[in-house]
Amino acid sequence: DTGVSQDPRHKITKRGQNVTFRCDPISEHNRLYWYRQTLGQGPEFLTYFQNEAQLEKSRLLSDRFSAERPKGSFSTLEIQRTEQGDSAMYLCASSLRTGKGLPDTEAFFGQGTRLTVV
Amino acid sequence: DQQVKQNSPSLSVQEGRISILNCDYTNSMFDYFLWYKKYPAEGPTFLISISSIKDKNEDGRFTVFLNKSAKHLSLHIVPSQPGDSAVYFCAASEEAGGSEKLVFGKGTKLTVNP
Repeated sequence: DTGVSQDPRHKITKRGQNVTFRCDPISEHNRLYWYRQTLGQGPEFLTYFQNEAQLEKSRLLSDRFSAERPKGSFSTLEIQRTEQGDSAMYLCASSLRTGKGLPDTEAFFGQGTRLTVV
Repeated sequence: DQQVKQNSPSLSVQEGRISILNCDYTNSMFDYFLWYKKYPAEGPTFLISISSIKDKNEDGRFTVFLNKSAKHLSLHIVPSQPGDSAVYFCAASEEAGGSEKLVFGKGTKLTVNP
């Protein structure tokens, strides 16, 4: 399977615990995004990377959230001291940005990690 | 402040008929528009897109229309099939090609009845 892969698919955690999610993008894609989706809403942008550089962070990404993409391949999203309001589907997506006049690709999404904070 | 709005939470159509899903946006900097389809427990799947320099893009049964002056786009599915039943999200990007961060609407749940 050469699509975007996310692990785990589901995570139940107690309030106050730390959680970490992993995303493996499509191998040739240089951009990687994290989104969050809550019930009845569309995905909301959290942050994105071009290669290993984190280029933008949404104000939705509080200090308890941190994302990394250390080698420009897979990425991790960590939430510290989880709160019930963090319960959501966390979606990862990747795309190819050529910047050379060639067509870029649209964002391809993984299946998401559903987080439940109890 | 919702920059992308899908004002119809749900739509029900008969198999074989046309489905029309609507989307409005407020940010005039948006340069590229996309439609994604989402089944339960899965991530969104790209369906079709359109650049702001065009007013129509067609791919098989799916056509997207863009009216820049009205800041409105629509997705037409004809003929509709039961397998099209899903939540459809309209998304917009300020960067040509759609590889920039996306701003999504809340989605419209389409049900196609046999």
